[in-house]
Amino acid sequence: GQQVMQIPQYQHVQEGEDFTTYCNSSTTLSNIQWYKQRPGGHPVFLIQLVKSGEVKKQKRLTFQFGEAKKNSSLHITATQTTDVGTYFCAGGTTSGTYKYIFGTGTRLKVLA
Amino acid sequence: DAGVTQSPTHLIKTRGQQVTLRCSPKSGHDTVSWYQQALGQGPQFIFQYYEEEERQRGNFPDRFSGHQFPNYSSELNVNALLLGDSALYLCASSLGPFILGANYGYTFGSGTRLTVV
Repeated sequence: GQQVMQIPQYQHVQEGEDFTTYCNSSTTLSNIQWYKQRPGGHPVFLIQLVKSGEVKKQKRLTFQFGEAKKNSSLHITATQTTDVGTYFCAGGTTSGTYKYIFGTGTRLKVLA
Repeated sequence: DAGVTQSPTHLIKTRGQQVTLRCSPKSGHDTVSWYQQALGQGPQFIFQYYEEEERQRGNFPDRFSGHQFPNYSSELNVNALLLGDSALYLCASSLGPFILGANYGYTFGSGTRLTVV
């Protein structure tokens, strides 16, 4: 079946260092969304990418959608302790039925 | 701001029992999706309701069923509970069943933590 994998599974960084998580789908996606889930919390929507090769920025966060619409990345510049949490991508697929498949997530820990 | 409301927040059930979880979507949203999130895992899609009908379904057995009411609220029912059903059940609402174009995503509730013993 369709799968969306993320790497790395865990990442520990020193505050001020950069962080990147990669999302890879086994099939071509219609769009991709990114969510952040704080420990003990629920996923919170960050952004959506729709177009092939699209790049969007939100302050220190940069999101990219691959040309083939099968992969995406989230890059955080100069991490802060408030960036702690698990980052999920959610791939939108119209293969068969319309639904979002969440990635496995990358858990980020920022050391002060 | 009426976000997504889920009840109860925590629940403990015995194997073989049945459970009903409830969700009220964000004001203005008409679509409800249910996800199961095991500890340390990503949310797994259960099903989605739109216009009071199940529109999409993930790889979950028929023990998982749902309903959507005319006011867009929804219920998730799980029969014959198994230990493996222990998880955080998340409800997510949206305007329409599939989101493209506008830059908004699902709004998630805080979830119901179900423990099966």
